[in-house]
Amino acid sequence: AQTVTQSQPEMSVQEAETVTLSCTYDTSESDYYLFWYKQPPSRQMILVIRQEAYKQQNATENRFSVNFQKAAKSFSLKISDSQLGDAAMYFCAYRTPLQGGSEKLVFGKGTKLTVNP
Amino acid sequence: NAGVTQTPKFRILKIGQSMTLQCTQDMNHNYMYWYRQDPGMGLKLIYYSVGAGITDKGEVPNGYNVSRSTTEDFPLRLELAAPSQTSVYFCASSYLPASSYNSPLHFGNGTRLTVT
Repeated sequence: AQTVTQSQPEMSVQEAETVTLSCTYDTSESDYYLFWYKQPPSRQMILVIRQEAYKQQNATENRFSVNFQKAAKSFSLKISDSQLGDAAMYFCAYRTPLQGGSEKLVFGKGTKLTVNP
Repeated sequence: NAGVTQTPKFRILKIGQSMTLQCTQDMNHNYMYWYRQDPGMGLKLIYYSVGAGITDKGEVPNGYNVSRSTTEDFPLRLELAAPSQTSVYFCASSYLPASSYNSPLHFGNGTRLTVT
């Protein structure tokens, strides 16, 4: 079974600084998707960034980027120029692409990010 | 908008009892999900639905059943409760598939279930 591990229960960063959240996963599949979700107190789970395993280039979305190391099964999230609105729980998630579409997301335990002014 | 509403908030069951966890959303979302979160663990998908009348198994479906007779409601049924089903259960919904940009997953507040 696939597993996703986030080893940092909590992280903090100063406003305008850079922070990296760690995620490792275990799978025997060769093709899959990886995601980082943000969950603010409103309890919405918002997709921050997505990486397809077959792509060698690391995904980037504005201030958010990933370091995807397929051989090491590592998928870290870097937040640059941190803003107060970035404070939230961050979940790493995994999904295998299946025919007909599948929403079988496997989530990590989450990392609580605090942004200090 | 109420968003995603789950009931009850807490429940204690004896082994072998049955119950239904209710979930309703008022956002006209097609996609609905049931997750469980065990202590110190991540979310695990139990069942999901892509629209009324359509359901599919997630990662940990054994011991559970679902139905989706309307767009709004997605109840989760536990038959013959076992201690291994002690967990916090979350219902969620989204307009587009969960792994889409600009389509947040809206979560309910959860149901804390203890089976003794």
